[in-house]
Amino acid sequence: DTGVSQDPRHKITKRGQNVTFRCDPISEHNRLYWYRQTLGQGPEFLTYFQNEAQLEKSRLLSDRFSAERPKGSFSTLEIQRTEQGDSAMYLCASSFDRFEPQHFGDGTRLSIL
Amino acid sequence: TQLLEQSPQFLSIQEGENLTVYCNSSSVFSSLQWYRQEPGEGPVLLVTVVTGGEVKKLKRLTFQFGDARKDSSLHITAAQPGDTGLYLCAPAADAGNNRKLIWGLGTSLAVNP
Repeated sequence: DTGVSQDPRHKITKRGQNVTFRCDPISEHNRLYWYRQTLGQGPEFLTYFQNEAQLEKSRLLSDRFSAERPKGSFSTLEIQRTEQGDSAMYLCASSFDRFEPQHFGDGTRLSIL
Repeated sequence: TQLLEQSPQFLSIQEGENLTVYCNSSSVFSSLQWYRQEPGEGPVLLVTVVTGGEVKKLKRLTFQFGDARKDSSLHITAAQPGDTGLYLCAPAADAGNNRKLIWGLGTSLAVNP
């Protein structure tokens, strides 16, 4: 049973560039979540999907952020015109349904120069 | 919005000591998960507690769910350096609503050899 995988593990980019991250959830999981985490803090919820439907977005998710899950399998998170404050670990998690625990990937570490 | 408070936020102890960390809320949880996160990795699920008053043991870790299902604790006996990490608690979403998925700040534990 493969876990949640995220790609890339690390991304370094210049301020103002666009970046895209990918998350492949556990195959039978219907729910997929994106979080942002800064050092020493717990995850901050960004958005989640039930299959291909994006059901909720946090106010943290500004207009520069967009997430998709086009076929209800993998998901992408894009950040446009990156800013220094976007530097963080971006975590993806999946669960079978709303009652089951979330299983996390190892995240994408984004560093903005 | 469901708020979680975890305490203490930081804890540094010597190998062999015992410790307890807490997860509290004013809301009732249908279930609650505990995770441990090591630097550079995603959170890893340790346990799910479901029933009020439930106690679960995982080797030297003992998890307790409060009778009213509003709080939980994690007790570690004879801590080892390998227990070092960020301990996070998170509730499952409840039926009939889509509560914002708010995590606590976690307890950052350092076990010194």
